Amino acid sequence: GAGVSQSPRYKVTKRGQDVALRCDPISGHVSLYWYRQALGQGPEFLTYFNYEAQQDKSGLPNDRFSAERPEGSISTLTIQRTEQRDSAMYRCASSLDWGEVQHFGDGTRLSIL
Amino acid sequence: QQQVKQSPQSLIVQKGGISIINCAYENTAFDYFPWYQQFPGKGPALLIAIRPDVSEKKEGRFTISFNKSAKQFSLHIMDSQPGDSATYFCAASNRNTGFQKLVFGTGTRLLVSP
Repeated sequence: GAGVSQSPRYKVTKRGQDVALRCDPISGHVSLYWYRQALGQGPEFLTYFNYEAQQDKSGLPNDRFSAERPEGSISTLTIQRTEQRDSAMYRCASSLDWGEVQHFGDGTRLSIL
Repeated sequence: QQQVKQSPQSLIVQKGGISIINCAYENTAFDYFPWYQQFPGKGPALLIAIRPDVSEKKEGRFTISFNKSAKQFSLHIMDSQPGDSATYFCAASNRNTGFQKLVFGTGTRLLVSP
């Protein structure tokens, strides 16, 4: 079946613009995670959803970052008033349940000019 | 604060050789230690994982060795093949928090020469 799908694959935008990154998890997966991966680094946890409930957002860097999963399936990570330091690969992962294997998408490469 | 330290940063191994990647962690509450394999342009994919109640786990050519007292774990790839060339990440999590908040190492870029 289809894996975790993220869109767009690449996003280039000017500093100060808002961006929305989309994640379509594997069908039936209850848990959804957002990570940020800097070049040459491992993924860093941002936030986690169980169904539509955001259970933990401790990894979000500041209040410009927000995420939602209104119907317990597709999730959107929104960054407002983007800054150059927001440039990174943003990855989404989903799992069948909270303790199960996380399956990662191929990510969205965000570049802020 | 880097909770999982990984080494080496890069590794070159001849085909048929053994690749060894090491990780050390600080948080004694961690109770799940997976290794992820990542190919260029792709997301990380789970390779093998271990719980702290065992000292070793083997799946095919891949083995995790775990030393709880030293707070260290390592990945051994036996008979390394060019197709194993990828970036490998160790990770750790505390499943008692109610979800898998994975903490990743910085990654090891492995190149297996033909």
